[in-house]
Amino acid sequence: SQQGEEDPQALSIQEGENATMNCSYKTSINNLQWYRQNSGRGLVHLILIRSNEREKHSGRLRVTLDTSKKSSSLLITASRAADTASYFCATDATSGTYKYIFGTGTRLKVLA
Amino acid sequence: DTEVTQTPKHLVMGMTNKKSLKCEQHMGHRAMYWYKQKAKKPPELMFVYSYEKLSINESVPSRFSPECPNSSLLNLHLHALQPEDSALYLCASSQDENEQFFGPGTRLTVL
Repeated sequence: SQQGEEDPQALSIQEGENATMNCSYKTSINNLQWYRQNSGRGLVHLILIRSNEREKHSGRLRVTLDTSKKSSSLLITASRAADTASYFCATDATSGTYKYIFGTGTRLKVLA
Repeated sequence: DTEVTQTPKHLVMGMTNKKSLKCEQHMGHRAMYWYKQKAKKPPELMFVYSYEKLSINESVPSRFSPECPNSSLLNLHLHALQPEDSALYLCASSQDENEQFFGPGTRLTVL
C-alpha cells in the first residue's frame, strides 16, 4: 500500500514560474526524500529532510516538512523546460529497515 | 564512481523462459534494492539486501528470485513470468538510510 499521496497528480506551468507539489504520508517517519524521474528512466535523488527539520534548500529547490500534519512540499523556483519530469516523495516506513515507500507522484510539465 | 549500472536495458521473454537481470555498483554501499515500476505509477519495493543478506521481501512471487553474489552485485532471476510482470525493473543502492542511487532500469516485456 502507498505510504504517500501526492498532489497534484499533474501540473503544467510556463517556464520561469514556480511549481509546488505536495506529499502526505500516514505513519511516523525518520526522514522524507524527494526524487525526480525523467520519462522511463531511473530516479535521481533531489533532497532529504529529516523529521527534526522543518525546511531545507538546495539550489532552486525548497522542501518543507510538517510532521504534525504528516505532509511535505517541494517548491521548484524559476522552472525550466528541463525540469519536466515526475516527482516522487519517499518515506522510510520503518526505521533501520531500509524500507522506503514512494508516493503516487506528480507529473510536472514546464512549457517553454 | 557514483553510478549504478543495470543490464540489459531491454528484455523480451516468453512465459517459459529463464532470464536474469543484473545490477552493479562500486560505491561501497551496503544496501541494494529491487523495485518494480508500472507505467505512470511509483516504484514498488520488491527486495532489499543489507550487507549481502536478504532483509526485506515484499511478498514477491517465487518466480522472482534475487541473489547477491557480493557487495557490488545484485541479480534478479526470472522464471515462468506472466504478462502482467511486464514493467520497468529498477535497482538502487544506498549507504545506510540515506539517498538511494538508482540505475537506469531494465524494461521487461513478457509475451
